[in-house]
Amino acid sequence: DTAVSQTPKYLVTQMGNDKSIKCEQNLGHDTMYWYKQDSKKFLKIMFSYNNKELIINETVPNRFSPKSPDKAHLNLHINSLELGDSAVYFCASSQEWSDSYNEQFFGPGTRLTVL
Amino acid sequence: GQNIDQPTEMTATEGAIVQINCTYQTSGFNGLFWYQQHAGEAPTFLSYNVLDGLEEKGRFSSFLSRSKGYSYLLLKELQMKDSASYLCASMDSNYQLIWGAGTKLIIKP
Repeated sequence: DTAVSQTPKYLVTQMGNDKSIKCEQNLGHDTMYWYKQDSKKFLKIMFSYNNKELIINETVPNRFSPKSPDKAHLNLHINSLELGDSAVYFCASSQEWSDSYNEQFFGPGTRLTVL
Repeated sequence: GQNIDQPTEMTATEGAIVQINCTYQTSGFNGLFWYQQHAGEAPTFLSYNVLDGLEEKGRFSSFLSRSKGYSYLLLKELQMKDSASYLCASMDSNYQLIWGAGTKLIIKP
């Protein structure tokens, strides 16, 4: 029973292409997140959705567009991929947004390599 | 600005004790989290502190001092499987987690 799942696990593509990463959680959580982890291992929040509504949109190029069709899914679409987009992208979910004890459950990550 | 500092790497011996320190500066504070991340895997939750003091959970304990903006993770009876990165994260007033770069812990036999 996978709690937070992402597909694909690995994604290798050429510069300029458009790609999507899918994320699903079966925990019944209200809040979902996308993080980028670069080669220096910093986890940077990109987006957060609460009940399908965008609540965090960090300084991310508008080539990145999240879509939440329902509260269990948060997909990430990336247009015109660039070399600097190569990283591991993690999806995560948590029970509620405005709750201090807000343990986040992470998906397995998608390693994106742009050539 | 918001900032989390923790050592880049630490080495310890199997069976020993290690303490990983973290200092934080965030806009507001709603708690301090520690996560463990094995190489090539996702982070997994270890502990949460919002009040000053020590929280113990088996071989792992986490300490918080809000006045000093300081936390540590204490790992006892180290096992080889504890080799991983340990991420410190502070939750700010917007309930957003601000992450450190992680401390890579190497356990030697």
